[in-house]
Amino acid sequence: QKEVEQNSGPLSVPEGAIASLNCTYSDRVSQSFFWYRQYSGKSPELIMSIYSNGDKEDGRFTAQLNKASQYVSLLIRDSQPSDSATYLCAVKNEYGQNFVFGPGTRLSVLP
Amino acid sequence: NAGVTQTPKFQVLKTGQSMTLQCAQDMNHNSMYWYRQDPGMGLRLIYYSASEGTTDKGEVPNGYNVSRLNKREFSLRLESAAPSQTSVYFCASSGNRASGQPQHFGDGTRLSIL
Repeated sequence: QKEVEQNSGPLSVPEGAIASLNCTYSDRVSQSFFWYRQYSGKSPELIMSIYSNGDKEDGRFTAQLNKASQYVSLLIRDSQPSDSATYLCAVKNEYGQNFVFGPGTRLSVLP
Repeated sequence: NAGVTQTPKFQVLKTGQSMTLQCAQDMNHNSMYWYRQDPGMGLRLIYYSASEGTTDKGEVPNGYNVSRLNKREFSLRLESAAPSQTSVYFCASSGNRASGQPQHFGDGTRLSIL
């Protein structure tokens, strides 16, 4: 059973701090990694994709991938109350059709 | 640009009734998916369609059927609704199987079975 694990949280950080969200996966042939943000009552929204080892930055978001450790993370700099949401990690391998989602981490940014 | 469109947005059914959830995408994606999301359970794959004319079971297919009507449309049918099928249903689409492209989600259908 291919699995993706995340800390369920809630993770609480003060406004302006760095929020660090972590994800581990079991399928070693995973090739594509995604972070989605889901506000309460809304659908998942793609915020980052990463395919290669290292860091990928997009505005206040940085995704980090380490395939050897089977670990992907999302850093949110200068966290804002509007970042309060559940963050879903998703993993896909080159051969599989399906995306495997983690259970999500609930982030709360306190004003 | 509509992306992935789901109808209806809300529905209340009685046990034993049937209904079809509709999904359409305008991104020329080959692959389409149906998920359900329940509190504490995350997203669970019901069925997927890798391309027009093909469908496959996901993690929780029992009680559901699907139809890939054409490249744009992928419907989910509940033949005899049960209270256990009360959930939020999301349709998603993505590019070619090996492309590594992400999924894009519709707004969801909130379904209650009484």
